[in-house]
Amino acid sequence: QSALTQPASVSGSPGQSITISCTGTSSDVGGYNYVSWYQQHPGKAPKLMIYEVSNRPSGVPDRFSGSKSGNTASLTISGLQAEDEADYYCSSYTSSSTPYVFGTGTKVTVL
Amino acid sequence: EVQLVESGGGLVKPGGSLRLSCAASGFTFSSYSMNWVRQAPGKGLEWVSSISSSSSYIYYADSVKGRFTISRDNAKNSLYLQMNSLRAEDTAVYYCARVEDFYFDYWGQGTLVTVSS
Repeated sequence: QSALTQPASVSGSPGQSITISCTGTSSDVGGYNYVSWYQQHPGKAPKLMIYEVSNRPSGVPDRFSGSKSGNTASLTISGLQAEDEADYYCSSYTSSSTPYVFGTGTKVTVL
Repeated sequence: EVQLVESGGGLVKPGGSLRLSCAASGFTFSSYSMNWVRQAPGKGLEWVSSISSSSSYIYYADSVKGRFTISRDNAKNSLYLQMNSLRAEDTAVYYCARVEDFYFDYWGQGTLVTVSS
């Protein structure tokens, strides 16, 4: 099972919006609405930000939103803030012999 | 409050073994599938293994199949990962994570495994 493809880095100024893509196949991202997104600050454990494509857990700001089209899922951060600078990973359930796959990760920089 | 606390990491020589533990609290452990996810230094997240709530279903990444064994003790609210025939490429922070439906909703703080001579 190959990792889902994400851009290595995305940057934006405070207040701007950025979008991170996550591209898979019909066996994972495209086949199920089980895409999730995780934020990871340096030296910290990942934190769930979005589940089932577009749902936000309690406590996650509504600046974070998710969507999916075909084999590509996206995470959008609106009104970018300094504390949003972190690594972001997508994940999907898969129909392969291994049930989960992560994306390659995207470093978000707030300029 | 859900808490997951990993332990058992450390320095081990190539070919050696190590057993990781994850102590769970704050939720009904026996009702959830649990997973191990690792992250090599400076690299991304890699799913390692999954075990269903009653241990009926177990899965492994191809990279660890035949060398790692996941298990759980619901009476002790604990998750384990027995790692044998360790290689340099197994060096990573190992996280235990709870699965809700098909996403990882809670993570431990991680335990570092270093495989080096």
